[in-house]
Amino acid sequence: DAGVTQSPTHLIKTRGQQVTLRCSPKSGHDTVSWYQQALGQGPQFIFQYYEEEERQRGNFPDRFSGHQFPNYSSELNVNALLLGDSALYLCASSSRGSGNTIYFGEGSWLTVV
Amino acid sequence: DAKTTQPNSMESNEEEPVHLPCNHSTISGTDYIHWYRQLPSQGPEYVIHGLTSNVNNRMASLAIAEDRKSSTLILHRATLRDAAVYYCIRGRSGSARQLTFGSGTQLTVLP
Repeated sequence: DAGVTQSPTHLIKTRGQQVTLRCSPKSGHDTVSWYQQALGQGPQFIFQYYEEEERQRGNFPDRFSGHQFPNYSSELNVNALLLGDSALYLCASSSRGSGNTIYFGEGSWLTVV
Repeated sequence: DAKTTQPNSMESNEEEPVHLPCNHSTISGTDYIHWYRQLPSQGPEYVIHGLTSNVNNRMASLAIAEDRKSSTLILHRATLRDAAVYYCIRGRSGSARQLTFGSGTQLTVLP
């Protein structure tokens, strides 16, 4: 049973560009959340998707947007990249049907130069 | 979810027990205490959670103070693979909740 998978694992972008990160949740999970983790800090919640809609959002600007597909996979899009967007982006999946456990992927390392 | 207080770092010797403390003095009656850990170059991993009673699972034990203002994660025999950042999080139960991470405790395990 595959866990949460994310792609790409590493990427480098230039300021002002746009980036799309992808996430496949753990089998049987229907809820996907995205987190940003700057170096040396704990992860910060960006937003959560359930039933293809954004259900919760953290304190992030509109440059951060997302999407959830009918198969529950998700994308995180960041427009007009800033140097400060350099971070590890983590996808987390869970099931609203049962359980308390939230599973994380290994993340996508984004470097903005 | 709201803030908790943890030491920035701790050290332990291999095969000895480790007690990781967490203060959550303003916890509400319905807040659970969740522990996650993050190994180097990996995403956070669920460890354990509890509400009022002490809890045990295959990874660790969670001791919750009677007034619920503090808790302690106990690793019974630390191994080198337990070296990680440990996060204590208070908040609602349920998989739909968002997790509010602090800076956590960096645990170093010495051989």
